Amino acid sequence: DAGITQSPRHKVTETGTPVTLRCHQTENHRYMYWYRQDPGHGLRLIHYSYGVKDTDKGEVSDGYSVSRSKTEDFLLTLESATSSQTSVYFCAISEWGAGKSYNEQFFGPGTRLTVL
Amino acid sequence: ILNVEQSPQSLHVQEGDSTNFTCSFPSSNFYALHWYRWETAKSPEALFVMTLNGDEKKKGRISATLNTKEGYSYLYIKGSQPEDSATYLCAFNNQGGKLIFGQGTELSVKP
Repeated sequence: DAGITQSPRHKVTETGTPVTLRCHQTENHRYMYWYRQDPGHGLRLIHYSYGVKDTDKGEVSDGYSVSRSKTEDFLLTLESATSSQTSVYFCAISEWGAGKSYNEQFFGPGTRLTVL
Repeated sequence: ILNVEQSPQSLHVQEGDSTNFTCSFPSSNFYALHWYRWETAKSPEALFVMTLNGDEKKKGRISATLNTKEGYSYLYIKGSQPEDSATYLCAFNNQGGKLIFGQGTELSVKP
């Protein structure tokens, strides 16, 4: 299994509070991603990073920000959580571009976030 | 926005039944098609990556085919077992490297 951990694994918070989720990898992969998974929607990309301090938006980035100060850590922040952000959040990593012709992604265990 | 559609959304079969489901994707800007298996409370796990029209991949009782010209892939499970119960996700890999996921097919295999 790829060395990807997410913390916390479960969190319950209240509307309006800030929340930060952490993804940590030991694989030294260049790319890191944050997805959310909701019933009927599959996995939707929130933000991704293609290197330290290099990030870009995905399809559902509103209300989220990210930071990557080290290769191994990618943080997802909800500045002011809302009930619509209740979801399961997955981190993924890949080596796309480093001799790989396709973008095979490896996923972390997920964080279940509930916003009351 | 590119649409990746999977059907059916859910499937209930008996142990021993063979089953198949479909992933439809855009036929333009194609680079690869990924299949993932996702069990509840675990990480999605890569099953197959297919890149060429006509590709067929097999892993044990699970196999997949790819038609890039018409934009579909089939996943087959022969002789389903209860441990095959999971959500099966496909993802369209465009030439820019982005993965666009379908909504998944949830398979339940009853003993």
